[in-house]
Amino acid sequence: EVQLVESGGGLVQPGGSLRLSCAASGFTFSSYDMHWVRQATGKGLEWVSAIGTAGDTYYPGSVKGRFTISRENAKNSLYLQMNSLRAGDTAVYYCARAFGSGSYLNWGQGTLVTVSS
Amino acid sequence: SYVLTQPPSVSVAPGQTARITCGGNNIGSKSVHWYQQKPGQAPVLVVYDDSDRPSGIPERFSGSNSGNTATLTISRVEAGDEADYYCQVWDSSSDLWVFGGGTKLTVL
Repeated sequence: EVQLVESGGGLVQPGGSLRLSCAASGFTFSSYDMHWVRQATGKGLEWVSAIGTAGDTYYPGSVKGRFTISRENAKNSLYLQMNSLRAGDTAVYYCARAFGSGSYLNWGQGTLVTVSS
Repeated sequence: SYVLTQPPSVSVAPGQTARITCGGNNIGSKSVHWYQQKPGQAPVLVVYDDSDRPSGIPERFSGSNSGNTATLTISRVEAGDEADYYCQVWDSSSDLWVFGGGTKLTVL
């Protein structure tokens, strides 16, 4: 059974940093692109970052230069380093396994990040 | 950047057919994916690559995509289908993954 378990969320002050982790199991982690998707309370889904099997990374303009996605295949783990956090980054962050032409077959349960003073 | 437009809400009576649209410039040239999200839960993929269903998704869920509009169709709607639905594509020209704003399906 595929499992994705996020951790590392919490309360952080504006301008602060946080590192999210996603522990993967039940599939060959190194063979799949992995993504982070976030959702502010009462709002829609927003793609945050992606990392390919070769380590290539992708970001939308809203987080580029502030967030860094990485992976450690030996530990079946995905990470998201978030710097210079803003109130607008407050959301539940999900990790997701990419499938086929960019869909997300599997999602974690999410971890809440709150940016507030 | 590429924009996907969904109606904020759709209402349908039980047993009827719900159609949720997703508009985008020449979206017919892209692969469209659809997710169902119930309150407090992670999204669930219900249709991928325009019209394919993952294992375990009822045949009542189907999709189509042509021109500037993709459509998720839910036949014989049940109370349990009440949820938010999101369309999503990968924009290859910019290497960005894009979600629509979401549609709240209400079962009357």
